[in-house]
Amino acid sequence: GAGVSQSPSNKVTEKGKDVELRCDPISGHTALYWYRQSLGQGLEFLIYFQGNSAPDKSGLPSDRFSAERTGGSVSTLTIQRTQQEDSAVYLCASSTYSGVEAFFGQGTRLTVV
Amino acid sequence: AQSVTQLGSHVSVSEGALVLLRCNYSSSVPPYLFWYVQYPNQGLQLLLKYTTGATLVKGINGFEAEFKKSETSFHLTKPSAHMSDAAEYFCAVSSPGGFKTIFGAGTRLFVKA
Repeated sequence: GAGVSQSPSNKVTEKGKDVELRCDPISGHTALYWYRQSLGQGLEFLIYFQGNSAPDKSGLPSDRFSAERTGGSVSTLTIQRTQQEDSAVYLCASSTYSGVEAFFGQGTRLTVV
Repeated sequence: AQSVTQLGSHVSVSEGALVLLRCNYSSSVPPYLFWYVQYPNQGLQLLLKYTTGATLVKGINGFEAEFKKSETSFHLTKPSAHMSDAAEYFCAVSSPGGFKTIFGAGTRLFVKA
């Protein structure tokens, strides 16, 4: 596609429910990143994919968070048993290869009530 | 390991005044450095980047930044602020073939009429 696409743009969920956030990167980009932006905070690195593998999962906050990427394209970030502190904007970015300029999607605003 | 420090979470300038947003980085390898801008309710957009070569880099909207290795700095400047520059600005560091881009906490720029 023309840019990085994330869905849904907004998600309100009840505490304890599972949510899935989707990222469709720019076609041909091999690197894909997930970041979390909480109110008034910077960007917190969550996970990085090179192709379908995730060399660095160090930023995932807990075992309730997981992510996968299939076909070297679409990625899904899953949060199980959501908590109120999970409320944030989740940003996805992709790049042609790791380390260079990343192109960001518009983000998914997650609200846990 | 790499890290980024942005001095000042908030900066306020008058319209027409100089904009200076400070960024210092730490990297054990030659860095790639970036400045991104985020307008309200939008994703991040690249302003400018330094990879190799000329240490003074020019970006969009009249912004520029200078890579100073001796000071481990990459400060962002604009000679004359415009109301439309009000946004949040993020400094970031990565490296060739590096796994991830590390972002600073961000600096929110306010422009007063």
